[in-house]
Amino acid sequence: KQEVTQIPAALSVPEGENLVLNCSFTDSAIYNLQWFRQDPGKGLTSLLLIQSSQREQTSGRLNASLDKSSGRSTLYIAASQPGDSATYLCAVKDNQGGKLIFGQGTELSVKP
Amino acid sequence: GAGVSQSPSNKVTEKGKDVELRCDPISGHTALYWYRQSLGQGLEFLIYFQGNSAPDKSGLPSDRFSAERTGGSVSTLTIQRTQQEDSAVYLCASSLVERGAEQYFGPGTRLTVT
Repeated sequence: KQEVTQIPAALSVPEGENLVLNCSFTDSAIYNLQWFRQDPGKGLTSLLLIQSSQREQTSGRLNASLDKSSGRSTLYIAASQPGDSATYLCAVKDNQGGKLIFGQGTELSVKP
Repeated sequence: GAGVSQSPSNKVTEKGKDVELRCDPISGHTALYWYRQSLGQGLEFLIYFQGNSAPDKSGLPSDRFSAERTGGSVSTLTIQRTQQEDSAVYLCASSLVERGAEQYFGPGTRLTVT
């Protein structure tokens, strides 16, 4: 059974710092991996999607990497801003169907 | 263009009542998913519709839960005889047909069972 873990559960950094969020999964037979952002009381906003054949994806100040063989993904946020404060979730789609399996999330707080 | 929409945004119901939650996917998206987000369980999959194929119901927690998708578009999640443990945010997502397609989420329906 696929399990997704995110470390740390919470992170507080000063504005301007670069940071890395970690995601690991137990079964490397994934179809793709998606990173989301969730603001309090809101739905999920898709940030980056990495197919299993890809190593990384970039969007603005965000860079996500995928090492399928070791079951790891990282989300790198450059020059963090207070507006980046949110919960970040990673989710994997396995080869058996369409559902996403989510980690518990990392709650990020960027202090001005 | 319009994203995934869900209604109602909030629903308070008494234990034992039935509730219906609605999801309107992005136009042209043939895949539709329901997930549930609760404090103790995180975000968990409930059910998945893909075109005319039989839905994947493997995530439904009990037979009190059911879902329909009419005309390949709008979906309704029904919870019968609601229990307090059904209190959660119910999220709907949609995607294009390709297996590698990105899923886009709606704002969710917050269900509170009193």
